[in-house]
Amino acid sequence: SQQGEEDPQALSIQEGENATMNCSYKTSINNLQWYRQNSGRGLVHLILIRSNEREKHSGRLRVTLDTSKKSSSLLITASRAADTASYFCATDKRNQGGKLIFGQGTELSVKP
Amino acid sequence: SAVISQKPSRDICQRGTSLTIQCQVDSQVTMMFWYRQQPGQSLTLIATANQGSEATYESGFVIDKFPISRPNLTFSTLTVSNMSPEDSSIYLCSVEDSSGFTNEKLFFGSGTQLSVL
Repeated sequence: SQQGEEDPQALSIQEGENATMNCSYKTSINNLQWYRQNSGRGLVHLILIRSNEREKHSGRLRVTLDTSKKSSSLLITASRAADTASYFCATDKRNQGGKLIFGQGTELSVKP
Repeated sequence: SAVISQKPSRDICQRGTSLTIQCQVDSQVTMMFWYRQQPGQSLTLIATANQGSEATYESGFVIDKFPISRPNLTFSTLTVSNMSPEDSSIYLCSVEDSSGFTNEKLFFGSGTQLSVL
C-alpha cells in the first residue's frame, strides 16, 4: 500500500498567495520530511518534523503533523514564482528501519 | 552537508545496451542510495550501496539488471543493463546527512535522465 499520498496532485496559484499541500500515510512513523524537486533535478530537503512534534516553521514554510489522522500539511506563505516545483513528503516508518518512503508529490505552479 | 556529483546528466540509449551512472560525494559516507523516478511519478528505492559489501536490493529490483559498485566511501556506480523503453526514468543517487540521525535528511545528486529508444 502507498505510504505517502499527497493532495492535490497539482496546484496553481498566483504569486503572493499561500500554497497548502497535504500528505497522508498509513503506518506509524518516526518522522516526516518534505522535499522540493525542480523540474528534472534532484530533490532538496526542506524540513523535518518528528512524530512527537505538531508544528514546525522554517522561513516561509510551516509544517503540521497530526499523528492521530496520519497526515501532514506543508504551507508555503507569500509564494514566489521561484517556488514552482514538485513537493514530496517522505516518511520514515517506525520499526521498518533503513529507508524513506516518498509520496506521489504535488506539482506547484506559481504564476507571476 | 554533502555535495553530490552525478553523471551523465542525461542520455539517450538504444534498446539492449547498458548505461553506467556515476555518483561522487565530496565526503565519506557509509551508505549511498539509488532511486528511480519514472515519468511523473515518485521516487522508488532501487538499492542501498555499502562500501565493502554487496548492495541490498529492494523488492522488484535485481542485481543482474541493476549491478552496483561501491569501491570506496565517496563513490558508487549504478548500471542499467539490457535496457528497454520501460527503463526510461530519472535515476538519482542519494546520501544521508552524516551529522544527523539515520533517515533524517537525504542529499541528492542532480539525477540522470535516461531515455531508451
